Amino acid sequence: QSVLTQPPSASGTPGQRVTISCSGSSSNIGSNYVYWYQQLPGTAPKLLIYKSNQRPSGVPDRFSGSKSGTSASLAISGLRSEDEADYYCAAWDDSLSGVVFGGGTKLTVL
Amino acid sequence: EVQLVESGGGLVQPGGSLRLSCAASGVTFSSYAMNWVRQAPGKGLEWVSTISGSGGTTFYADSVKGRFTISRDNSKSTLYLQMNSLSAEDTAVYYCARAPTVTTSFHYCGQGTLVTVSS
Repeated sequence: QSVLTQPPSASGTPGQRVTISCSGSSSNIGSNYVYWYQQLPGTAPKLLIYKSNQRPSGVPDRFSGSKSGTSASLAISGLRSEDEADYYCAAWDDSLSGVVFGGGTKLTVL
Repeated sequence: EVQLVESGGGLVQPGGSLRLSCAASGVTFSSYAMNWVRQAPGKGLEWVSTISGSGGTTFYADSVKGRFTISRDNSKSTLYLQMNSLSAEDTAVYYCARAPTVTTSFHYCGQGTLVTVSS
């Protein structure tokens, strides 16, 4: 059971906009930044969003992050076949004194 | 360009020990906190441990506390994870990851090294 809650799966068609939610509590998302990662099959996770809504250089602006209270979302617009991957949210947890992850969302591009 | 290369993984018997290493290049190693994150086969990401840039502050997941020890040698730009009393539940790919501070998640990780605990 992960500390952060994500839907196990999501799907969309090319060109569509999809969102992935991440729910936490006051000790993690409610008081700290949220991070989002993309993991393509057989590869290491790659940072997509940091500080809840900032994109590292090289990440397309089709990816955006937001946070409200104890929940966060990752939005992917103009969906492409290469976006098919697992997506994870993460945050520091003040009560656990550690990083907590969501269970991951498998995105399928139909 | 930042590069993190893990090594030391392999097959170990239950109850055994293993020491992972992570060599960093292309970055001022001592300026960053470092993490170990693992991923069991077919499962999600799990944070294992974090160490501050100076090495003076460490954090551990409850699942490894008392069995794993994180350390670093800034003169060698190398991160370590000493793993003792290993069990099948520790079987995973272990990623070395760089973070801005101890209380943030990682920004970059290596390709990982596989640890298999089995008799």
